[in-house]
Formats: sequence, C-alpha cells, structure tokens
Amino acid sequence: KQEVTQIPAALSVPEGENLVLNCSFTDSAIYNLQWFRQDPGKGLTSLLLIQSSQREQTSGRLNASLDKSSGRSTLYIAASQPGDSATYLCAGTGGGADGLTFGKGTHLIIQP
Amino acid sequence: DAGVIQSPRHEVTEMGQEVTLRCKPISGHNSLFWYRQTMMRGLELLIYFNNNVPIDDSGMPEDRFSAKMPNASFSTLKIQPSEPRDSAVYFCASTPLSLAGELFFGEGSRLTVL
Repeated sequence: KQEVTQIPAALSVPEGENLVLNCSFTDSAIYNLQWFRQDPGKGLTSLLLIQSSQREQTSGRLNASLDKSSGRSTLYIAASQPGDSATYLCAGTGGGADGLTFGKGTHLIIQP
Repeated sequence: DAGVIQSPRHEVTEMGQEVTLRCKPISGHNSLFWYRQTMMRGLELLIYFNNNVPIDDSGMPEDRFSAKMPNASFSTLKIQPSEPRDSAVYFCASTPLSLAGELFFGEGSRLTVL
C-alpha cells in the first residue's frame, strides 16, 4: 500500500525567503501527483497537478517537480509571503483502483 | 460553476444516531471521492465512484458506514449508528477523469459525535 511522507512537518520562516517542501512515496510507481493547500477550517485547494507524462509544473511563485525514479516530489515557493501560511499536502496515485494517497502535510508559517 | 457542494457544514449528534452527509460534485465530473480527515490519521480515502458506480470501498472503516451515488449529481455518506470515534471532517471531491484528473474538494462536513 502506498505511503506518503512529508518533510518537514512544520516550518516557520521570515517573509521573502525561498523554501522547499518535500514529499516522498514508498511506491515510486506514481501515475500522477498533486499538491494542495489547506487553510484552517477549510477544504483543500489544488495548487499544481503533475500528470504521468510530466516532470514539473509551475504556477506563479510555485514550482513542483516529480522524480519518479526516486519517488520524490518537491514544492518550491519563491519569495514567500504571509498569505502563503497554510498546510501544504501532496497526494499521489499509482493508477488502478487505489485513489489518491495523501501525506499528513507541512504546516507552513511565514512571519511578517 | 459553484464547485463541490457539501452539506451540512457542521453536525453535532449523539452516539447511536444516524448521520447522513451529502455531496454535489462539479457538473460533468465523472468520479467522486469521499475522504475523512483527522489529526491523528490525516486524510483517508473511504470510497470512490466512477460514473456513479462504487469502484473501491476498501477504506470504509466498517459496516456502519455506507455510501451511495444514485445519479451523477448527488452522493451520500451515511453512518449508522454513529460513534464518538467517527468525529472528523468528511470531504467530498470530484474529478473529470478517473484517477488522472485534477481533484477538486468541497469545504467539508465537520462531524462531532458526543
């Protein structure tokens, strides 16, 4: 069964820093991978989707990459802002009938 | 589009009562997922449907849980009888392409069982 680990579990940095969130999978056979953002008491908002034929995706200050050979993904946030404070979750699927498996998230705080 | 719509947003009930959570997926999406989120276990997939047919319910914790999708625009997750350990936030999500498309989540239903 696929397991997803996110490191670090929590991160607090000053505004303006570039940062990297990490995600790793026990089964490197990832079909697609998605990064989400969750604000307190809210649902999950999709940030980036990397589909099976892709290696990375970019949206504004966010860049996500996927290395299938190692079963790892990173989310890069450039020039962080206080509004980026949230929990970031990665999720992957191996296709078939296993659905999306989620990590427990990285709780990010950007200090003004 | 209004996005995935869930109701109720909050439910407080007593142990032993029946709970029904509802979900309206985004129009045109053919796959629907029910997830449960707790602090201890994170997000867990309970069940998912493809074209209204349940595909994988291996995540449903026990027989007290049941889910239906009578048509493409409506799904329910029922817990009967409810127990305090069922307290969690239950999310519904939909996607236009089974297991490959982008997943869109509702705001969740926060359930508290006393």
